[in-house]
Amino acid sequence: AQTVTQSQPEMSVQEAETVTLSCTYDTSENNYYLFWYKQPPSRQMILVIRQEAYKQQNATENRFSVNFQKAAKSFSLKISDSQLGDTAMYFCAFMKHAGSQGNLIFGKGTKLSVKP
Amino acid sequence: DAGVIQSPRHEVTEMGQEVTLRCKPISGHDYLFWYRQTMMRGLELLIYFNNNVPIDDSGMPEDRFSAKMPNASFSTLKIQPSEPRDSAVYFCASSRATGGSGNTIYFGEGSWLTVV
Repeated sequence: AQTVTQSQPEMSVQEAETVTLSCTYDTSENNYYLFWYKQPPSRQMILVIRQEAYKQQNATENRFSVNFQKAAKSFSLKISDSQLGDTAMYFCAFMKHAGSQGNLIFGKGTKLSVKP
Repeated sequence: DAGVIQSPRHEVTEMGQEVTLRCKPISGHDYLFWYRQTMMRGLELLIYFNNNVPIDDSGMPEDRFSAKMPNASFSTLKIQPSEPRDSAVYFCASSRATGGSGNTIYFGEGSWLTVV
């Protein structure tokens, strides 16, 4: 069974600085997808970034980038130039490539606070 | 494009009452999912549909829960009778099966249910 671990329950960062959120996962699969979702106080789940395991290049989306280390089963999220609106819960999630459409396995989340 | 639309956003009901949550997926998406989020269990998949057909309902907690998808643009999740332990945020989500963003799951804003 797949598991996703986020070892940092809470983190804080000063506005405009950079912060990295950690995520590790356990799987015997070779092809899979990894995601970071953001959940602000409104509770909506918002996709931040996605990575396909067969792609070696790390995904980037504006201020958000990942460090995907397949051998180490690590998938960290880096937020550059942090903004107050980045304050939210961040969930790392795993999905097998085939045969399990929709079965996202989520970590417990990291609560990020951006301070002015 | 409109996102996943859920209603109601908030519902407070008395124990024993029937609760119906509604969802309209993103147009053109083949898959629809119902997730539940609680403090104790985090985010968990309840059931998902492919082309309106239920594929995996192993996450549905018990017979009090039922879900239907009568057409490609509408789904319901029903709890009858409701219990206080059903209090949670219920998310509907959808995705396409293939394509550049295939397997990426887009969430609605959630329905916050409180059973008293």
